Amino acid sequence: GAVVSQHPSWVICKSGTSVKIECRSLDFQATTMFWYRQFPKQSLMLMATSNEGSKATYEQGVEKDKFLINHASLTLSTLTVTSAHPEDSSFYICSARMGGEVYNSPLHFGNGTRLTVT
Amino acid sequence: DAKTTQPPSMDCAEGRAANLPCNHSTISGNEYVYWYRQIHSQGPQYIIHGLKNNETNEMASLIITEDRKSSTLILPHATLRDTAVYYCIVITVYGGSQGNLIFGKGTKLSVKP
Repeated sequence: GAVVSQHPSWVICKSGTSVKIECRSLDFQATTMFWYRQFPKQSLMLMATSNEGSKATYEQGVEKDKFLINHASLTLSTLTVTSAHPEDSSFYICSARMGGEVYNSPLHFGNGTRLTVT
Repeated sequence: DAKTTQPPSMDCAEGRAANLPCNHSTISGNEYVYWYRQIHSQGPQYIIHGLKNNETNEMASLIITEDRKSSTLILPHATLRDTAVYYCIVITVYGGSQGNLIFGKGTKLSVKP
């Protein structure tokens, strides 16, 4: 079945450094991927929509210069957290749709990346 | 967006059916109802979705009322591994949506031995 893979599954970095998270669709092509963030005991919040070959669309309140998204191929989207600070510590999750009609086919999620900024 | 309302928590005995309700009274005629679950520290897992007819797969059944204003997810024989937060989501089809999912708070289902 459809599989979305994220790497790394967890990362610890120092404040001020940048971290890159990869999201791959393993057995299908995804022109659109979605990036979510989840803080402890809260629900998932959509950060941005990643479109292959074009600029990402960011949700209100999400800084595009801080969360850089690159969707360079149909199977890979990357999220780079630049100049990370402790408040960026969170669970980052990507998702992609296998294909077909947008509203009648499910999004598949990766297993998330736990980012801890010290 | 068509918003959904779910109870914050539910308990279920192991081996019994778990019936999780969801209200979506503002749903539009062409909007689908999706169910996902999230086990602690993992990404959400797709369960099932439907438009107006009842649906069944290997994981669960989805019962949608005739007026489509509410639905129920049924796990026929709950196991301890079904303990998770269950999200009922109506996928928006308006405003240039690309089919992203807006997550509410969901229902925390606790399956007890």
